Amino acid sequence: ETGVTQTPRHLVMGMTNKKSLKCEQHLGHNAMYWYKQSAKKPLELMFVYSLEERVENNSVPSRFSPECPNSSHLFLHLHTLQPEDSALYLCASSQDWQGVETQYFGPGTRLLVL
Amino acid sequence: EDQVTQSPEALRLQEGESSSLNCSYTVSGLRGLFWYRQDPGKGPEFLFTLYSAGEEKEKERLKATLTKKESFLHITAPKPEDSATYLCAVQASPGNQFYFGTGTSLTVIP
Repeated sequence: ETGVTQTPRHLVMGMTNKKSLKCEQHLGHNAMYWYKQSAKKPLELMFVYSLEERVENNSVPSRFSPECPNSSHLFLHLHTLQPEDSALYLCASSQDWQGVETQYFGPGTRLLVL
Repeated sequence: EDQVTQSPEALRLQEGESSSLNCSYTVSGLRGLFWYRQDPGKGPEFLFTLYSAGEEKEKERLKATLTKKESFLHITAPKPEDSATYLCAVQASPGNQFYFGTGTSLTVIP
């Protein structure tokens, strides 16, 4: 595996379900990110982790809960989501958080909330 | 308010018909400007980083330029495989914030 991988690629869940999205980066980077991409909207930064410590939390509802057990893995735990949470969820990584660093993206998880 | 605006929203070109995509930004302190390509159902793929006004970068049929207010992505003699959405992002100070545009959807017709 190379680059940034995400699983699952597609997910359908009901509003009462609990699910988790997984991201793994194979680039040796220290920072990881979760973004939400909705149609006709700019990418919305949700969370940033640097060396496993959360450094950004952009007013994201508590039904989204991130976890970063090590610098290579990032999870997004989902519970009691709303239909408006349906979107493409993208994970990204960069060498560091503070510098002008290029972010490399995974393929995304297409989430549909029914 | 810091923001990034891309135009046009959509662009259809004949194969070989050169054109430019625009990314204008209003941020208090530019640290870097990034161009990405995104194919349907996939994550954004990195193309270029520009750091200061006057800088230019090229890759195959693509050339990115930067001024103090905007960036252009020039596409020379495009091919159908260049069809994709092109995203612009700005990293700004203070606070190391990232701002993305909504993208330009490019279709190149054979």
